[in-house]
Amino acid sequence: AQTVTQSQPEMSVQEAETVTLSCTYDTSESDYYLFWYKQPPSRQMILVIRQEAYKQQNATENRFSVNFQKAAKSFSLKISDSQLGDAAMYFCAYDSNYQLIWGAGTKLIIKP
Amino acid sequence: DVKVTQSSRYLVKRTGEKVFLECVQDMDHENMFWYRQDPGLGLRLIYFSYDVKMKEKGDIPEGYSVSREKKERFSLILESASTNQTSMYLCASRSHRVFNQPQHFGDGTRLSIL
Repeated sequence: AQTVTQSQPEMSVQEAETVTLSCTYDTSESDYYLFWYKQPPSRQMILVIRQEAYKQQNATENRFSVNFQKAAKSFSLKISDSQLGDAAMYFCAYDSNYQLIWGAGTKLIIKP
Repeated sequence: DVKVTQSSRYLVKRTGEKVFLECVQDMDHENMFWYRQDPGLGLRLIYFSYDVKMKEKGDIPEGYSVSREKKERFSLILESASTNQTSMYLCASRSHRVFNQPQHFGDGTRLSIL
């Protein structure tokens, strides 16, 4: 069965600096999708970025980028130029057909 | 933009009550999901539905049931509420027409069982 592990329950970063959130997963499949979702204190879960496993190029969305290492089964999220609005819970998820397999989440704190 | 609406943001019920949580999406999505979110545990899937009148058990279905009579609406039912069902409940939907589309979420319902 697939599993997703986020080893950092909480991270903090100074505003305007860069932070990397870790995610590892376990699967025997060769083709799959990975997602990072953000859940601000307002609670609605929002998609941050998506990576297709067969694409070697790392996905980027403005200040958000991933470091996808398929062989190592690692999918970290880098946030550049951190802003106060980035404070949230961040969840890594693996797409297994109809279901998403979720990590436990990392709480990101932005220090002004 | 996709809109997923959950009927209540906060709900307080008593042990033994039958509780209904409603979720409506406006994008004609085939797939709908109910999750439970607890600190340190991430999101755990309770039930999901491929399409109208279809349902599948997720990882923690015990004590819950669901109903999907119309495509836009997916209801979660707590048959006899217990205190260990106090939690945040999230509904999500996604299109099945394009492979591996992201899920879109509602605002969540914070349910307290007294």
